[in-house]
Amino acid sequence: GAGVSQSPRYKVAKRGQDVALRCDPISGHVSLFWYQQALGQGPEFLTYFQNEAQLDKSGLPSDRFFAERPEGSVSTLKIQRTQQEDSAVYLCASGLQGTSTEAFFGQGTRLTVV
Amino acid sequence: RKEVEQDPGPFNVPEGATVAFNCTYSNSASQSFFWYRQDCRKEPKLLMSVYSSGNEDGRFTAQLNRASQYISLLIRDSKLSDSATYLCVSLLGGSNYQLIWGAGTKLIIKP
Repeated sequence: GAGVSQSPRYKVAKRGQDVALRCDPISGHVSLFWYQQALGQGPEFLTYFQNEAQLDKSGLPSDRFFAERPEGSVSTLKIQRTQQEDSAVYLCASGLQGTSTEAFFGQGTRLTVV
Repeated sequence: RKEVEQDPGPFNVPEGATVAFNCTYSNSASQSFFWYRQDCRKEPKLLMSVYSSGNEDGRFTAQLNRASQYISLLIRDSKLSDSATYLCVSLLGGSNYQLIWGAGTKLIIKP
């Protein structure tokens, strides 16, 4: 399909391991958002890209979290030295414009840190 | 206190009934509000925007009360397929992209 694709869908990591989560946005979409959704909670904003520029990273919880979108298309969210509290679903959304309510979400990557 | 608060439910409602749930927000600078629907283990999808004058989309009616800082969603003639978690969302004041999400209200429609 032509939707937002995230991989892997599921990831189990041992505490202390580094992980990389990939987001393939809809082709031509300028905006890209990353969210973290803990069990039983709503999504929490992590970061926002417009093309390759990371315009807002205020939601990244610590310096262990890093996101990039080097060519303005695919984005990677990297978490270093994972901890148990990082366990969550990581959602990516992309949109034609900057307004996030017009963005389409991927199905997310469910990260479990053991 | 969370910026957007919702009753987590679950609301167990017979098919065909009308159900309503509210959401309160604490930031009076919030200008725009939305309801999203999220099915179990799926991504959130925009259900409808909430306008100051209230708005309707088929069986769904959304209302905003700025004085009391709450938003409501009413579902009439509920269907089994309405079973989902409904997330109340506000747009951070001054931002055109940063969404503040409630934790969601779980709705279960029973036959």
